[in-house]
Amino acid sequence: KAGVTQTPRYLIKTRGQQVTLSCSPISGHRSVSWYQQTPGQGLQFLFEYFSETQRNKGNFPGRFSGRQFSNSRSEMNVSTLELGDSALYLCASSPWGFGYEQYFGPGTRLTVT
Amino acid sequence: AQKITQTQPGMFVQEKEAVTLDCTYDTSDQSYGLFWYKQPSSGEMIFLIYQGSYDEQNATEGRYSLNFQKARKSANLVISASQLGDSAMYFCAMRETLSNFGNEKLTFGTGTRLTIIP
Repeated sequence: KAGVTQTPRYLIKTRGQQVTLSCSPISGHRSVSWYQQTPGQGLQFLFEYFSETQRNKGNFPGRFSGRQFSNSRSEMNVSTLELGDSALYLCASSPWGFGYEQYFGPGTRLTVT
Repeated sequence: AQKITQTQPGMFVQEKEAVTLDCTYDTSDQSYGLFWYKQPSSGEMIFLIYQGSYDEQNATEGRYSLNFQKARKSANLVISASQLGDSAMYFCAMRETLSNFGNEKLTFGTGTRLTIIP
């Protein structure tokens, strides 16, 4: 079974721009969660999508949004990028939800200049 | 207050020895879940073990076991017979319900960097 894939792996953007990250879950997994990892704040939960609906949400501003398609692929969008958005963005998939065993992708390293 | 506390920023352990990574948590939920994840230098997070708050037995997965002490709110990870490939960052995490917002949240600790010495 193919693992979780994330594209692109690396991205450099300028402050004020927007960015879209993509995550393809393991086949059959309906839950996709997104996480931000920074040296200062550590790992933080962004949101979870399950069957195309946002089911759970962390404490991030509205500039961070996402969606999930009928094939369970998910995208995360960050608008009006700030320097502090530079981070490793990880997505994870699970058959049931983020509160159970999850399988993580390799992450997208976003650098905002 | 920190929801998940990992007090050991770094640990050095001799190969083949057992190692215990500490994790304490804080929640008022009755139903919650505790996880351990491993993050090698490649960056990919790997699920190791899960313990539900109502599980009476400590969870075990191969060389990994979770020492769950509910009254003390601790969920320590024990790795038996450590191997060089165990060198990585280890994160403790907790799933809890945010009653104010009516949804669930997963909170991670700051991690422990484990280095296995040959």
